[in-house]
Amino acid sequence: DVKVTQSSRYLVKRTGEKVFLECVQDMDHENMFWYRQDPGLGLRLIYFSYDVKMKEKGDIPEGYSVSREKKERFSLILESASTNQTSMYLCASNPSEGHMATSRLPRYFGPGTRLTVL
Amino acid sequence: GENVEQHPSTLSVQEGDSAVIKCTYSDSASNYFPWYKQELGKGPQLIIDIRSNVGEKKDQRIAVTLNKTAKHFSLHITETQPEDSAVYFCAASMGKLIFGAGTRLAVHP
Repeated sequence: DVKVTQSSRYLVKRTGEKVFLECVQDMDHENMFWYRQDPGLGLRLIYFSYDVKMKEKGDIPEGYSVSREKKERFSLILESASTNQTSMYLCASNPSEGHMATSRLPRYFGPGTRLTVL
Repeated sequence: GENVEQHPSTLSVQEGDSAVIKCTYSDSASNYFPWYKQELGKGPQLIIDIRSNVGEKKDQRIAVTLNKTAKHFSLHITETQPEDSAVYFCAASMGKLIFGAGTRLAVHP
């Protein structure tokens, strides 16, 4: 079974703090994703990484950065947390399957990190 | 850009009844339509998907239908069980995946 794990289930931080959210997958997948989930808005893509040190901005990258130094680990960084970044953060992965467009889409999700910024 | 609308936002059914969730998309070039189920405290799980060259797909009690002309697709769950209770998300993709807002399904024994 594919396993995507996230370092924390719940996190409470203060405005202005630097926040690190960690995600690890154990199936050697090339593609990894960070989404945020908000009520009534569904899931929105923050960043996508298709290989080590490679990244693409998603729909809402402002206020976030990412790091992918190793294939299995994809980190989301909030440089200076703000209250509007209070949300559920979901990491996902997917293997590359040649040129199939669906390999760039999230298939396996982690359990999520609920972040509260006070 | 692509927009996906999902209805209803909440759905309550009796065990054994059928449940239908509907989504519409705006970009006619969308060619891949997955459905995810998110149980309480867990991440979304891909449960079924359909590509634009297919009109219907079934997997046991769940089925998805696609009407490309009308740009809408639906999830059908038959013989619902309490363990079907979850939030369901539709999504549409033309390279990038756009999610609907979700439907909270409650199946009452």
